[in-house]
Amino acid sequence: QVQLVESGGGVVQPGRSLRLSCAASGFTFSSYGIHWVRQAPGKGLEWVAFISYDGRNKYYADSVKGRFTISRDNPKNSLYLQMNSLRVEDTAVYYCAKIGVYGAAGPGEIDYWGQGTLVTVSS
Amino acid sequence: DIQMTQSPSTLSASVGDRVTITCRASQSISSWLAWYQQKPGKAPKLLIYKASSLESGVPSRFSGSGSGTEFTLTISSLQPDDFATYYCQQYDTYEVTFGPGTKVDI
Repeated sequence: QVQLVESGGGVVQPGRSLRLSCAASGFTFSSYGIHWVRQAPGKGLEWVAFISYDGRNKYYADSVKGRFTISRDNPKNSLYLQMNSLRVEDTAVYYCAKIGVYGAAGPGEIDYWGQGTLVTVSS
Repeated sequence: DIQMTQSPSTLSASVGDRVTITCRASQSISSWLAWYQQKPGKAPKLLIYKASSLESGVPSRFSGSGSGTEFTLTISSLQPDDFATYYCQQYDTYEVTFGPGTKVDI
């Protein structure tokens, strides 16, 4: 079965960096695009970034552009989110989320989500 | 960016009620809309994709409709397990956006 397991969250001071990882299994990782989506405590879902199945195309929310970098290692079935210059408002549970569309067929719905990893930015 | 709105923000209902949630997009997204259910402390779960297609394993009491800019999620007969928050999401572009959510409570 499809599994997405995030790790790397924790407490970090403003201005510092953190790298999140997402380990995927149960599907052909190299064939699907993946999003990072976050949810601040008690708030709604906010899209963060997307990477295409082959890693060639990346998209970012304006709120993280220039600070966060999404990447993937297909042979290792892993997704990453490098977060630099962290701000208090980046505090959230971060989910990796697989789309249901194969390859380059375009954007798709999110059919599987990880359980999330909590990032707390606080001095 | 495509903005998504939902109404109502909170909905109080009883078991057996028919419930309808509305989602609107700031521009046409054709039928590229999904609905998710989220319970406290859990990841969202896909219910409906392409505006009206029911995800495998989701009970048939859930249905979706609409196209362009206006969409609805309907629960035909609310069950105890359905008390949760519901989000719509557009995926007309890779820069997806979510609605603010509708909390369905007792």
